[in-house]
Amino acid sequence: LAKTTQPISMDSYEGQEVNITCSHNNIATNDYITWYQQFPSQGPRFIIQGYKTKVTNEVASLFIPADRKSSTLSLPRVSLSDTAVYYCLVAGNNRKLIWGLGTSLAVNP
Amino acid sequence: ETGVTQTPRHLVMGMTNKKSLKCEQHLGHNAMYWYKQSAKKPLELMFVYSLEERVENNSVPSRFSPECPNSSHLFLHLHTLQPEDSALYLCASSQDVAGRSNQPQHFGDGTRLSIL
Repeated sequence: LAKTTQPISMDSYEGQEVNITCSHNNIATNDYITWYQQFPSQGPRFIIQGYKTKVTNEVASLFIPADRKSSTLSLPRVSLSDTAVYYCLVAGNNRKLIWGLGTSLAVNP
Repeated sequence: ETGVTQTPRHLVMGMTNKKSLKCEQHLGHNAMYWYKQSAKKPLELMFVYSLEERVENNSVPSRFSPECPNSSHLFLHLHTLQPEDSALYLCASSQDVAGRSNQPQHFGDGTRLSIL
């Protein structure tokens, strides 16, 4: 099983950069790392996905070290609307999808 | 607009009622999923369908019965539910089965189910 571990919660302030790290020690060769964002009473939304090194899109960056046993979601200059739960999911390689509890990010004014 | 639509958004039912949850995806995806999300618990994958064929059933009680008549529609039929079944039920879709590939899932906004 591709188990992931994330901090339960984080606090930040508007305008700061937020980095959320996920541990996935038993990641397999064919696994990809995907991050989702969830607001209350909504389904998770895809943010970013990567396999190795660095991936950047219009909302976030994803850093993956060479051993791939962890990954870091970076949110630049967060705003109040970034307050949400963030999930790291490791999938692929014909294995079951196991979601963690996610990281509850609170952005303060 | 998520591309995945779930109805109803809220449902209150007694333990002896029969109801159905509906999910429709407009993304042309081949895989669809039902998840259960309870407070302070991880998302629990219930069922996975690929091209209308059930490919995964994660030990879900028989009081939950899924149906996938075509690749765009997914139902979850509910019968004789228990209070602990109260939760947010989420439907998702992806191009291919997420557990076998890197395809991200697209979620609907869920049905909030309350069992009296």
